[in-house]
Amino acid sequence: ETGVTQTPRHLVMGMTNKKSLKCEQHLGHNAMYWYKQSAKKPLELMFVYSLEERVENNSVPSRFSPECPNSSHLFLHLHTLQPEDSALYLCASSQSERTSYNEQFFGPGTRLTVL
Amino acid sequence: GQNIDQPTEMTATEGAIVQINCTYQTSGFNGLFWYQQHAGEAPTFLSYNVLDGLEEKGRFSSFLSRSKGYSYLLLKELQMKDSASYLCAVRDRKAAGNKLTFGGGTRVLVKP
Repeated sequence: ETGVTQTPRHLVMGMTNKKSLKCEQHLGHNAMYWYKQSAKKPLELMFVYSLEERVENNSVPSRFSPECPNSSHLFLHLHTLQPEDSALYLCASSQSERTSYNEQFFGPGTRLTVL
Repeated sequence: GQNIDQPTEMTATEGAIVQINCTYQTSGFNGLFWYQQHAGEAPTFLSYNVLDGLEEKGRFSSFLSRSKGYSYLLLKELQMKDSASYLCAVRDRKAAGNKLTFGGGTRVLVKP
């Protein structure tokens, strides 16, 4: 248990569906992240939020839409996804996005399958 | 950009030692992390190196040589529960958002 929770743990959706992934951190951190982990590929950073403001967007397609209403919660809204978007989506948090030593704590991930 | 390389898979025997190498290329190195990830679970932090040398933490040690762009994770007295993927990640000071770039991970299989 790392102090970062994600729901749902598993999600199956069609290409025309709209769904949302939720992440919550109970660590008092100021930065939150979304990562995508596909089979046989490295973890890819998607979005970074610091104090509820988006700091980094790694050229992610617009069918992925993040939302950070406060420093403890992070959402990833999904719409009109493609089968190649099937992956494990991991949320992480850290104390700050600025300091050099900044361990990121990961949630358990949401396993997404797009049919 | 960054390029991080680590072996895809390694096999070792329970009680033995395994060394996982990681090489990287980055323009603004600002720290290297090792994470452990069991199948279907979240990555968990193992170690952090920003200066050259060896950091020891129980059965796990991590080494860094910045001039060579090289790190290794050493796992001693291997246990069956050490079977997992080990992820090397590098932080770049020139990248916004405390960005970590991850290698593809090394899957370690510990056999009895």
